[in-house]
Amino acid sequence: EAQVTQNPRYLITVTGKKLTVTCSQNMNHEYMSWYRQDPGLGLRQIYYSMNVEVTDKGDVPEGYKVSRKEKRNFPLILESPSPNQTSLYFCASSHLTGVFREKLFFGSGTQLSVL
Amino acid sequence: AQKITQTQPGMFVQEKEAVTLDCTYDTSDQSYGLFWYKQPSSGEMIFLIYQGSYDEQNATEGRYSLNFQKARKSANLVISASQLGDSAMYFCAMREEGAQKLVFGQGTRLTINP
Repeated sequence: EAQVTQNPRYLITVTGKKLTVTCSQNMNHEYMSWYRQDPGLGLRQIYYSMNVEVTDKGDVPEGYKVSRKEKRNFPLILESPSPNQTSLYFCASSHLTGVFREKLFFGSGTQLSVL
Repeated sequence: AQKITQTQPGMFVQEKEAVTLDCTYDTSDQSYGLFWYKQPSSGEMIFLIYQGSYDEQNATEGRYSLNFQKARKSANLVISASQLGDSAMYFCAMREEGAQKLVFGQGTRLTINP
């Protein structure tokens, strides 16, 4: 089954404790991206990757890191989480061919709470 | 810069009625795609329908149709014969050619009443 797998589904942590949210896709997609969802703001892009070893900042990259060592994986790293990073996070992927036509496939989301 | 506006934070509709969710967009590109996603209370993002800027006919997918008015820059989602399971948050989104992101609106929370 074609899917984007995100883990964990829920995460509660404390300020300053490094954490990683994993994301993996099995569709051989070139493009992967991370979004955060906050009430009243919709989804905002954090980082994206066009292919292995190619990553770039989105609209709200502060406090986050990513890496793309393999085509299927795109982990999101919070080196020192703060309460303002409490949010619902989504990983998404798509092919790059005909970019504006390509829909994004989303993971099931990670609800992060930073205390 | 690309921007999506959804002006209805919440809507309440009787079951079996049709409902229109509004979406307006702003772009200077000629090539772009418009998407609608549904987010039920479980949280996942479910793709509903797509409309390309060059598509001359309005997109349809089962009970979903997209009322695309290019000159007015609007891409409203129409759900016919609404069902209780349609209760969810709905997001309109746009992707420009060459842009490396899908830009989302604020969302509309739809509640279907029995």
